[in-house]
Amino acid sequence: NAGVTQTPKFRVLKTGQSMTLLCAQDMNHEYMYWYRQDPGMGLRLIHYSVGEGTTAKGEVPDGYNVSRLKKQNFLLGLESAAPSQTSVYFCASSYKVAGVGAKNIQYFGAGTRLSVL
Amino acid sequence: AQRVTQPEKLLSVFKGAPVELKCNYSYSGSPELFWYVQYSRQRLQLLLRHISRESIKGFTADLNKGETSFHLKKPFAQEEDSAMYYCALGLDSSYKLIFGSGTRLLVRP
Repeated sequence: NAGVTQTPKFRVLKTGQSMTLLCAQDMNHEYMYWYRQDPGMGLRLIHYSVGEGTTAKGEVPDGYNVSRLKKQNFLLGLESAAPSQTSVYFCASSYKVAGVGAKNIQYFGAGTRLSVL
Repeated sequence: AQRVTQPEKLLSVFKGAPVELKCNYSYSGSPELFWYVQYSRQRLQLLLRHISRESIKGFTADLNKGETSFHLKKPFAQEEDSAMYYCALGLDSSYKLIFGSGTRLLVRP
């Protein structure tokens, strides 16, 4: 059981280049999320998805796009990378269940460290 | 607006000393509070949540709605507790979490 897997682990881009980060989960979770982690700012939600074929904006969506064509995969795209997008990106997923609390337990991937020069 | 505040960026203690990582939240609804931990070179993982009222690895946290706080405590810190700790707020009828900025705990020998 791999849980949440992110690829790649590291990437260096030049300003203006594009790339896609892949997140895959094998827990049959309905919800998936993309965060960025920056020093002193914690984790900020970029985009999220409540199910296959649906996506929504989070706190810091500008400069990113996402797609959820399959339930187990959630892709994060950078169309034209900027130095401000240098960060560590985390994907997470969670169950859709009834009851207080359970739905908010998020399971995280190992992260992707991205540098934009 | 919903917000989670962790006032300390770094907390350094000696092994065996008590630890308290502070977390305050701002939310008018019914909050669900969590502590997540990230050990060096590991992924972020759930440490504990307030509805469970459990002790994990010797850590406890009590939700104080009057003070809007959810401080994480451990009576005797261990070196293996050194990690980044994030407090998170779950909003009622939502599946999203709002994270604080994190506190790095350093337990020195």
